[in-house]
Amino acid sequence: SAVISQKPSRDICQRGTSLTIQCQVDSQVTMMFWYRQQPGQSLTLIATANQGSEATYESGFVIDKFPISRPNLTFSTLTVSNMSPEDSSIYLCSVEAPFGPFGSGTRLTVV
Amino acid sequence: ELKVEQNPLFLSMQEGKNYTIYCNYSTTSDRLYWYRQDPGKSLESLFVLLSNGAVKQEGRLMASLDTKARLSTLHITAAVHDLSATYFCAVGTDKLIFGTGTRLQVFP
Repeated sequence: SAVISQKPSRDICQRGTSLTIQCQVDSQVTMMFWYRQQPGQSLTLIATANQGSEATYESGFVIDKFPISRPNLTFSTLTVSNMSPEDSSIYLCSVEAPFGPFGSGTRLTVV
Repeated sequence: ELKVEQNPLFLSMQEGKNYTIYCNYSTTSDRLYWYRQDPGKSLESLFVLLSNGAVKQEGRLMASLDTKARLSTLHITAAVHDLSATYFCAVGTDKLIFGTGTRLQVFP
């Protein structure tokens, strides 16, 4: 199965700033997914990113807050914009099923 | 809208005991996944179940799927401390919807 490299692994950011998270896959994949895991919670899908088209966002998530890029079939970025402490979470990327692996995650703390 | 529920949310069990985690989902799906997450870590794939009646086993863990009942179970046999983690089920084909998670703690 695909191997995903995600970075940064963790960051502490000031409120009001933005952070861009990168995911690199070692093979070409059609769909990439971005998830958020709030402290002590399950994973919530933020959006699905297809190459060559705009990302599809789930209810409760908007492009202005979480812009996503998908420039090619092996790479995607998620930006968390205008951050507040409520954005403190683990952000994970994944690739298309079946049994798609997950990146190592980005632990974001907003202070 | 697909919803996925797990129970229990928290499970504390003694080493050597057996227990089952349940995963219920609200709409039909042809794929169900089980993942393990250790504290501060990403998700590790455990099982994928693709059809009604599917059963997969790895070590002390066995997963099964009943698509008619929209139910999957993760059975733990003779628990050991190393199994302490959070277990998630997830359902979907083109995107995964995750269950609430079951935090398992195994004590001596």
